[in-house]
Amino acid sequence: GAVVSQHPSRVICKSGTSVKIECRSLDFQATTMFWYRQFPKQSLMLMATSNEGSKATYEQGVEKDKFLINHASLTLSTLTVTSAHPEDSSFYICSARGGRDTIYFGEGSWLTVV
Amino acid sequence: KQEVTQIPAALSVPEGENLVLNCSFTDSAIYNLQWFRQDPGKGLTSLLLIQSSQREQTSGRLNASLDKSSGRSTLYIAASQPGDSATYLCAVRGYSTLTFGKGTMLLVSP
Repeated sequence: GAVVSQHPSRVICKSGTSVKIECRSLDFQATTMFWYRQFPKQSLMLMATSNEGSKATYEQGVEKDKFLINHASLTLSTLTVTSAHPEDSSFYICSARGGRDTIYFGEGSWLTVV
Repeated sequence: KQEVTQIPAALSVPEGENLVLNCSFTDSAIYNLQWFRQDPGKGLTSLLLIQSSQREQTSGRLNASLDKSSGRSTLYIAASQPGDSATYLCAVRGYSTLTFGKGTMLLVSP
């Protein structure tokens, strides 16, 4: 079946630094990818929709200058958390739209900002 | 704005029991509904996808139903096993959005 690879699975960074998370569709082309964030005991919240070759569409309340999304190819989208702060510590998950409108998710990335 | 509610929030059952997880949504104009499983610290695993024109989908011991008009879906797990312990999320796909419920945390004890 379709596979989405997300990397890194866990990352610890210092406050004020930037960290990049990659999301790759391994055996299909994904014109649309989604980035979610999940705080403890809460549901996944959509951050932005990433379309290949165009600017991402951010949800209300998500700072586009802080969470930079790039979807430069049909198999890769990246999320860069810039000037990270402890409150950015969260579980970030990407997903990609595959055939028959099925959504495939990556394994997620645990970000801890210290 | 679509709202998705999952009941119960948590469920603990002994091994072997059949159980039902519920998902309700406020806007019936959906394309599909998907059930996911999330293990602690892991990503999501897709379990079943029901298109808006379908009433149910089955995979092994899992059966998901969809009643779009009433805004409800159920996930039925037969003969539960300890390995089924996880959080189960339903997600409703609208025109351009995918809205998740908060999940049902399931614990199946041996």
